[in-house]
Amino acid sequence: DVVLTQTPPTLLATIGQSVSISCRSSQSLLHSNGNTYLNWLLQRTGQSPQPLIYLVSKLESGVPNRFSGSGSGTDFTLKISGVEAEDLGVYYCMQFTHYPFTFGSGTKLEIK
Amino acid sequence: EVQLQESGPGLVKPSQSLSLTCSVTGYSITSNYWGWIRKFPGNKMEWMGYISYSGSTSYNPSLKSRISITRDTSKNQFFLQLNSVTTEDTATYYCARIDVYGLLGYWGQGVMVTVSS
Repeated sequence: DVVLTQTPPTLLATIGQSVSISCRSSQSLLHSNGNTYLNWLLQRTGQSPQPLIYLVSKLESGVPNRFSGSGSGTDFTLKISGVEAEDLGVYYCMQFTHYPFTFGSGTKLEIK
Repeated sequence: EVQLQESGPGLVKPSQSLSLTCSVTGYSITSNYWGWIRKFPGNKMEWMGYISYSGSTSYNPSLKSRISITRDTSKNQFFLQLNSVTTEDTATYYCARIDVYGLLGYWGQGVMVTVSS
């Protein structure tokens, strides 16, 4: 199975600070069709996960543009440009290129 | 509005079967793909499997001998059965709609299942 390693496991940020989360894959996530199926999700406390980004950098409808994704191959990054209080929760990367689909270990964002 | 809701027993005894239902409203399960995902205590998430719009299924090989996903299109529901459960199957179980590019666009609220005697 593809292993997705997320760092850091915990992130402590102040409101307005910009932060980044790394997701490294044990295999390239470039599919033979040319797409890279790397998604980011956020799970707020007591809620179901919600999608933020798909295909590495495409923002899901309704997601604020302070969220951005980048990367290729095996290295990917989620950036939040100006953390807001509503951003706290656990962030997951997820790959949809290789079966079984797998999730990263999660990064918990806490607000100072 | 698309809504998914899981239901089923919150407590299952070891060696028994876990059976959950995902009821979908606002969208037909004869379109798209529909998956089951679980989250273990401590944040680890695991993809369990999915059922397609046509009824074909695909399972995580780690569960293949124990898992079955079926559906009832007349009720717009799909189901998860996990056999021979152990305490390691204690988790919150989610159903989700799989959209294009692997986007999990809609999730149920999750059901916590504890495996304990």
